[in-house]
Amino acid sequence: EDQVTQSPEALRLQEGESSSLNCSYTVSGLRGLFWYRQDPGKGPEFLFTLYSAGEEKEKERLKATLTKKESFLHITAPKPEDSATYLCAVGGFQGGSEKLVFGKGTKLTVNP
Amino acid sequence: DAGVTQSPTHLIKTRGQHVTLRCSPISGHKSVSWYQQVLGQGPQFIFQYYEKEERGRGNFPDRFSARQFPNYSSELNVNALLLGDSALYLCASSLERFNQPQHFGDGTRLSIL
Repeated sequence: EDQVTQSPEALRLQEGESSSLNCSYTVSGLRGLFWYRQDPGKGPEFLFTLYSAGEEKEKERLKATLTKKESFLHITAPKPEDSATYLCAVGGFQGGSEKLVFGKGTKLTVNP
Repeated sequence: DAGVTQSPTHLIKTRGQHVTLRCSPISGHKSVSWYQQVLGQGPQFIFQYYEKEERGRGNFPDRFSARQFPNYSSELNVNALLLGDSALYLCASSLERFNQPQHFGDGTRLSIL
């Protein structure tokens, strides 16, 4: 069964304190790994797609990397506006359909 | 460009009732998926529709059904509501069926009393 585990569940950082979020996964036939940001009361906002091991994507203070078993979301010099829940999802193929399997997320709080 | 729009934003129902939730995808997107998100959890896949046909179903009972219209908009129907159906229901659209990022709406918050 496809599975995604994110750690830590919650992370508190001071403004400017860099860190990384982890997403480990087991999936039969990876069809992409996706990172989303979700603010309270909102739907997930798409950040990155990674398709193959070794791939990296960057956007402002965020950088996502992918290996064969896990992905990292690196946050460099975070600001309070980066506070949100970060969700990782893998695209799996099963029974003729593609679906996203999500982890529970990492709730990031950045204090000024 | 307008993103994925869902209606209504909030809904309160009682046990045993049925509910219809609506979703308009991003213009040009042909695939629509539905997810259920319970507080503190990641979204769980319910259905995928592509070109008006069901292409995938998650582990949800037959009380859940959906359809997609010729303009690619979609409806999610839930019958015989249970307390456990209280959740945020999210709709996501993508350009094609496979290997595409899915873009989410802000969801419908469904509360069952």
